[in-house]
Amino acid sequence: DVKVTQSSRYLVKRTGEKVFLECVQDMDHENMFWYRQDPGLGLRLIYFSYDVKMKEKGDIPEGYSVSREKKERFSLILESASTNQTSMYLCASTWTGDWGSSYEQYFGPGTRLTVT
Amino acid sequence: GQQVMQIPQYQHVQEGEDFTTYCNSSTTLSNIQWYKQRPGGHPVFLIQLVKSGEVKKQKRLTFQFGEAKKNSSLHITATQTTDVGTYFCAGGGGSYIPTFGRGTSLIVHP
Repeated sequence: DVKVTQSSRYLVKRTGEKVFLECVQDMDHENMFWYRQDPGLGLRLIYFSYDVKMKEKGDIPEGYSVSREKKERFSLILESASTNQTSMYLCASTWTGDWGSSYEQYFGPGTRLTVT
Repeated sequence: GQQVMQIPQYQHVQEGEDFTTYCNSSTTLSNIQWYKQRPGGHPVFLIQLVKSGEVKKQKRLTFQFGEAKKNSSLHITATQTTDVGTYFCAGGGGSYIPTFGRGTSLIVHP
């Protein structure tokens, strides 16, 4: 069974703090994703990584950065947390196949971040 | 860029009624995936459709991919309270990154 784990289920931080969210997968997947989920807005892609040290911006990268130093680990960093970053953050992973094809994503349990 | 519209946003049904959610893409898709997210949970993969006109069934769930590969639907027959949750479609095309619809939240009244 694929397992995607996230470092925290719930997190409360203060405005201006630096926040690290970590995601680890155990299936040797090349691709990893960070999404945020807000009511009525669905899943919005923040960043995507297709290999170690490789990353691409998603739809809403502003205010976020990422790090992928090892294949199994993908970290999301909020350099200076703001109240509008209060949200549910979901990590996902999948394997690489033919270019132009997307494959089923395995999601972690999510981190509900509150910034006060 | 590619956009995937999903309707309706919410659907209330009485237990035993049928339910359908629809996805429409602005561009031709290479595949479409469906996910279910239970309240308080995370999205879980249900199925992927690849072929034009494809129809797949999982018990009471029927998934269709349109002939033009620009639309898809998920139909649940005789809903049960266990069907409660948000159903997302995700359209693939041109990259490793699928585009998610905003989801349809299904509320089943006993």
